[in-house]
Amino acid sequence: DVKVTQSSRYLVKRTGEKVFLECVQDMDHENMFWYRQDPGLGLRLIYFSYDVKMKEKGDIPEGYSVSREKKERFSLILESASTNQTSMYLCASQKDRGYNEQFFGPGTRLTVL
Amino acid sequence: DAKTTQPTSMDCAEGRAANLPCNHSTISGNEYVYWYRQIHSQGPQYIIHGLKNNETNEMASLIITEDRKSSTLILPHATLRDTAVYYCIVRGTGNQFYFGTGTSLTVIP
Repeated sequence: DVKVTQSSRYLVKRTGEKVFLECVQDMDHENMFWYRQDPGLGLRLIYFSYDVKMKEKGDIPEGYSVSREKKERFSLILESASTNQTSMYLCASQKDRGYNEQFFGPGTRLTVL
Repeated sequence: DAKTTQPTSMDCAEGRAANLPCNHSTISGNEYVYWYRQIHSQGPQYIIHGLKNNETNEMASLIITEDRKSSTLILPHATLRDTAVYYCIVRGTGNQFYFGTGTSLTVIP
């Protein structure tokens, strides 16, 4: 089975802090994604990556950056956390482009005070 | 990606089959139907997907109508652990999965 793990289930940070969210997948998948989920808004795509060192903006990239130095690891960075970035963050991986399903991690619930 | 319509909520008795409907009348020929579920405070879990033939796996069955404008996810013997929000998603080869509001399924003892 595909396993996608995220570094923390719950995280509390202060406004202005730099925040790192880590995601690791163990199935040699090409593609990885970062979403955030907020009540009433569904899942919104922040960034995605089709290969090591590659990144593409999703629908809401502002305030975020990403890093993919190794195939199995995709990091989401909040350069200066703000209260409106309080959310559930979900990482997903996908074998490659096309019709393959995405597999999600357990999520990180981030609270920015 | 085509829009989907699902009932907001449903109940099902434990041990009975849960049939979750989804309408996707604007689906195009190269778009698949995917089903995910999300248990409270967890990441979405992939269940099944299909193009036009019915599909079955260890979790569920997916029935797609011949005109592909609607589908039904069937959980053959619902348990309390199947209580979750179920999402029907229609997707081509785009980058992301668009999760709507889904159907909140409650399995009743």
